[in-house]
Amino acid sequence: DVKVTQSSRYLVKRTGEKVFLECVQDMDHENMFWYRQDPGLGLRLIYFSYDVKMKEKGDIPEGYSVSREKKERFSLILESASTNQTSMYLCASGTVGLRTDTQYFGPGTRLTVL
Amino acid sequence: DQQVKQNSPSLSVQEGRISILNCDYTNSMFDYFLWYKKYPAEGPTFLISISSIKDKNEDGRFTVFLNKSAKHLSLHIVPSQPGDSAVYFCAASSNFGNEKLTFGTGTRLTIIP
Repeated sequence: DVKVTQSSRYLVKRTGEKVFLECVQDMDHENMFWYRQDPGLGLRLIYFSYDVKMKEKGDIPEGYSVSREKKERFSLILESASTNQTSMYLCASGTVGLRTDTQYFGPGTRLTVL
Repeated sequence: DQQVKQNSPSLSVQEGRISILNCDYTNSMFDYFLWYKKYPAEGPTFLISISSIKDKNEDGRFTVFLNKSAKHLSLHIVPSQPGDSAVYFCAASSNFGNEKLTFGTGTRLTIIP
């Protein structure tokens, strides 16, 4: 059974704080993704990674950075949190080459920036 | 620019009836389509997919139909059950997208007992 875990289910931070969201997958997947989910906007891709130390910008990378030092772990970093980054953050992982494009999601982190 | 659109934010269906969720896309490079289901406080889970070489894929109570000329896909759930109440997202990818998915805005389905 594929398992994607995220470090926190709920997080409250203050404007200007540096925020780390951690994601770990146990299926040896090459690809990992960070999305945010907002009402009326669906899931929007922030960053993704195809391999260790590789990263690619998604559709809304501004204000975020990522780190992938180990294959199983993908971190999302908010360098200076702002109120418009209040959202549900979802991590996902998936394999390459099978052309199934199925991604497996973690439970999400509800981040509130005050 | 929303490349994948779900124009109905919500849908209510009687238990036992058919639920039809719709999705439109604009990018003609998309060649693989998926539906995900999301319960509150959980991550989305994969439901069913379809390749552009097909026009229909069935898995139990769930059937996805693809109309490439209209750039439209739909998910049919028959019969609808209370456990189907969730938010449904359609997603699309292209062979050149390196497994990157573009998601729609979601449709909240409520099954009325």
